[in-house]
Amino acid sequence: DGGITQSPKYLFRKEGQNVTLSCEQNLNHDAMYWYRQDPGQGLRLIYYSQIVNDFQKGDIAEGYSVSREKKESFPLTVTSAQKNPTAFYLCASRMRTGSNYGYTFGSGTRLTVV
Amino acid sequence: AQTVTQSQPEMSVQEAETVTLSCTYDTSESDYYLFWYKQPPSRQMILVIRQEAYKQQNATENRFSVNFQKAAKSFSLKISDSQLGDAAMYFCACYGGGATNKLIFGTGTLLAVQP
Repeated sequence: DGGITQSPKYLFRKEGQNVTLSCEQNLNHDAMYWYRQDPGQGLRLIYYSQIVNDFQKGDIAEGYSVSREKKESFPLTVTSAQKNPTAFYLCASRMRTGSNYGYTFGSGTRLTVV
Repeated sequence: AQTVTQSQPEMSVQEAETVTLSCTYDTSESDYYLFWYKQPPSRQMILVIRQEAYKQQNATENRFSVNFQKAAKSFSLKISDSQLGDAAMYFCACYGGGATNKLIFGTGTLLAVQP
């Protein structure tokens, strides 16, 4: 079955370290998205990519970086510049064209700074 | 700018009763889509219902229906015959195509279902 796989499910990072969250999809979706979820703040958009080798900043991109070298993969790096990285991170994808604008979400990664 | 506002942080409903969750939005796009997502304790995002802005008819999916008031930019979710499994966080979201081209979420409403 097609879907989105996020790994790892739980991730612990020491202060000052960079960490990379994985997001892989086999849905043949063009667009991919990274969201951050904090209590009481809903989901906030970090970065998104509509096609390979192209991506745009979302509302809270500072301290994060992404790449989109393959259609199937959209990894997110949380850098040491991100001052408060402890959060739940969700990856999503969708077809760029067509009438179905519903997003498919992964199961998320919980990042904790220790 | 595109914004989504959910003014009810928490709601409670008795099992088998009906509850309505509120959502207002703002977008500069003429062609946009509205969604309600459910997030149970597993944190998996589940699409509940979708509404195309160009359609006047309110969307329905079994026990879930929406009241879409385009002029008022209001998009409420009605859950009928509430079940214990409906207990979850519910997010309203707006997708604007064109220059916006991204899905923006509200802050969520935590729904409790009392037996």
